[in-house]
Amino acid sequence: GEEVAQTPKHLVRGEGQKAKLYCAPIKGHSYVFWYQQVLKNEFKFLISFQNENVFDETGMPKERFSAKCLPNSPCSLEIQATKLEDSAVYFCASSQSSGVRGTQYFGPGTRLLVL
Amino acid sequence: GENVEQHPSTLSVQEGDSAVIKCTYSDSASNYFPWYKQELGKRPQLIIDIRSNVGEKKDQRIAVTLNKTAKHFSLHITETQPEDSAVYFCAASRPTGNQFYFGTGTSLTVIP
Repeated sequence: GEEVAQTPKHLVRGEGQKAKLYCAPIKGHSYVFWYQQVLKNEFKFLISFQNENVFDETGMPKERFSAKCLPNSPCSLEIQATKLEDSAVYFCASSQSSGVRGTQYFGPGTRLLVL
Repeated sequence: GENVEQHPSTLSVQEGDSAVIKCTYSDSASNYFPWYKQELGKRPQLIIDIRSNVGEKKDQRIAVTLNKTAKHFSLHITETQPEDSAVYFCAASRPTGNQFYFGTGTSLTVIP
């Protein structure tokens, strides 16, 4: 597709429940990035992929967060046992290449609310 | 790691005036600097970017300047319009491009 797609738009979970978010990158883009945007507007980098391989996972809270990008499937970000502080908008972005040529295009985001 | 600081956090200007948003970065290896505009409840949209081999880039009413020596870059919006009201984010990326390092955002309000 011509735009990054994310589903669902909104997700409400009780504390301790699982949440799973999906991202379809722009066709032909090899890189996928996940960011968490909380109330203060700051973007926190979580993880990036080059095709199905993890490229950088330095931002991932590994004990509860996991992510995958499998061939011919949307990428996914999963949060096991959600906490109140996980409430945020999760953005996915994709790019054709990395580094100086790697303009990132963002999806519409998934707004996660943990009650 | 890279640290990007952005100022001001809020900015109000009269319609028709200019707006300037400044960012500094810490990693001299960073070489790509995009600017994103995010309207309320919407996705960030790339509005302009600059690579480290140039000092200035313009696109109609929007311009970005880069000072590599001082490690700062700025967004300039001239003849502001109410539809320019949004949150603007700067970012920096290293050559390996594992991630973008974002500034904390500037909420711009253009007063009609």
